[in-house]
Amino acid sequence: EAQVTQNPRYLITVTGKKLTVTCSQNMNHEYMSWYRQDPGLGLRQIYYSMNVEVTDKGDVPEGYKVSRKEKRNFPLILESPSPNQTSLYFCASSLRGTGGQETQYFGPGTRLLVL
Amino acid sequence: GEDVEQSLFLSVREGDSSVINCTYTDSSSTYLYWYKQEPGAGLQLLTYIFSNMDMKQDQRLTVLLNKKDKHLSLRIADTQTGDSAIYFCAEREGGSYIPTFGRGTSLIVHP
Repeated sequence: EAQVTQNPRYLITVTGKKLTVTCSQNMNHEYMSWYRQDPGLGLRQIYYSMNVEVTDKGDVPEGYKVSRKEKRNFPLILESPSPNQTSLYFCASSLRGTGGQETQYFGPGTRLLVL
Repeated sequence: GEDVEQSLFLSVREGDSSVINCTYTDSSSTYLYWYKQEPGAGLQLLTYIFSNMDMKQDQRLTVLLNKKDKHLSLRIADTQTGDSAIYFCAEREGGSYIPTFGRGTSLIVHP
């Protein structure tokens, strides 16, 4: 079954304590991305990766890091979390075929609370 | 910068058609998407349309694009209670990997 998995699903932490949210896909997709979703706002892209070792900033990258050492994994790292990073986070992977066809899958989300 | 606007709520009766509207500002938008988000779940890509198309139909879903007015709509025929969800419109330029999302429209389907 094609899927994107995220762990943990829920996390409560304190300001400044480094954390990592993992993301894994089983579809051999080249493109992966991270979003945050806040009440009253649409999704905003944090970082994206076009392939292994190729990452770039999205709209709201401040306070986040990512890495793409393997095709299937794309962890999101918060080196020093702050309360304004309390949010719902989604990982996504996609395949863009020839002719513009596109397949996208989103993970189930990680709800983060930073105290 | 880019902006994508949607109305916040839509309420329809089961069996009726739903039309969810979206406007965008970026004239270079190439890809326009519709997503569905059910409670507690991630987004599901429902359909997308290229800016060189006017319409796309996929079973109960019909997407209409008016490029002149920068208006995108999603019509759901024979709306069912299982269609109750938040629907997001998004746009992306052809050369960009960063989409812009609207704030979402909550569709409520009542008997």
